[in-house]
Amino acid sequence: EDQVTQSPEALRLQEGESSSLNCSYTVSGLRGLFWYRQDPGKGPEFLFTLYSAGEEKEKERLKATLTKKESFLHITAPKPEDSATYLCAVQAPNSGYALNFGKGTSLLVTP
Amino acid sequence: DSGVTQTPKHLITATGQRVTLRCSPRSGDLSVYWYQQSLDQGLQFLIQYYNGEERAKGNILERFSAQQFPDLHSELNLSSLELGDSALYFCASSVGLAWETQYFGPGTRLLVL
Repeated sequence: EDQVTQSPEALRLQEGESSSLNCSYTVSGLRGLFWYRQDPGKGPEFLFTLYSAGEEKEKERLKATLTKKESFLHITAPKPEDSATYLCAVQAPNSGYALNFGKGTSLLVTP
Repeated sequence: DSGVTQTPKHLITATGQRVTLRCSPRSGDLSVYWYQQSLDQGLQFLIQYYNGEERAKGNILERFSAQQFPDLHSELNLSSLELGDSALYFCASSVGLAWETQYFGPGTRLLVL
């Protein structure tokens, strides 16, 4: 069964304190790994798609990387507005085109 | 703004009732997905439609059904509601049938009392 595990469940950072969120997955035939940001009571907002090991993508203070077993979302010099839940999801042939989500990492950045 | 719209934003109803949630995909998108998000289960895939036809089913209860209309909007029908059906329901859309990005709507928060 395809599984997606995110760690840590919650993370508290001081403004400017860089860190990384982890998403480990066990899927057969990964087709895509997706990162979303979700604010409380809102819909997930698309951040990145990664398709193959070694791929990296950046957007402002965020950088996503992918290996054969896991993905990292690196947050450099975070600001309070980066506070949100970050969700990782995979697409694989076993689940058709549906996204299989991890439970997310809740990030709080304090001034 | 993802371009995906959902109505209503909030819905409060009683056990045993039936409700309909509506979703309009982004312009040009043919695929619509429905997901349920509860505190303990996270985001769970329910069902997918592509150009009016059902394409895949996930953890969808028999009390739930959906359809996609010729204008590509979709409706999710929830019947014989139970307390445990209280959750956020999200619709997402993508261009077609491929390994591609899904864009999510703002969701409908359902509370069953």
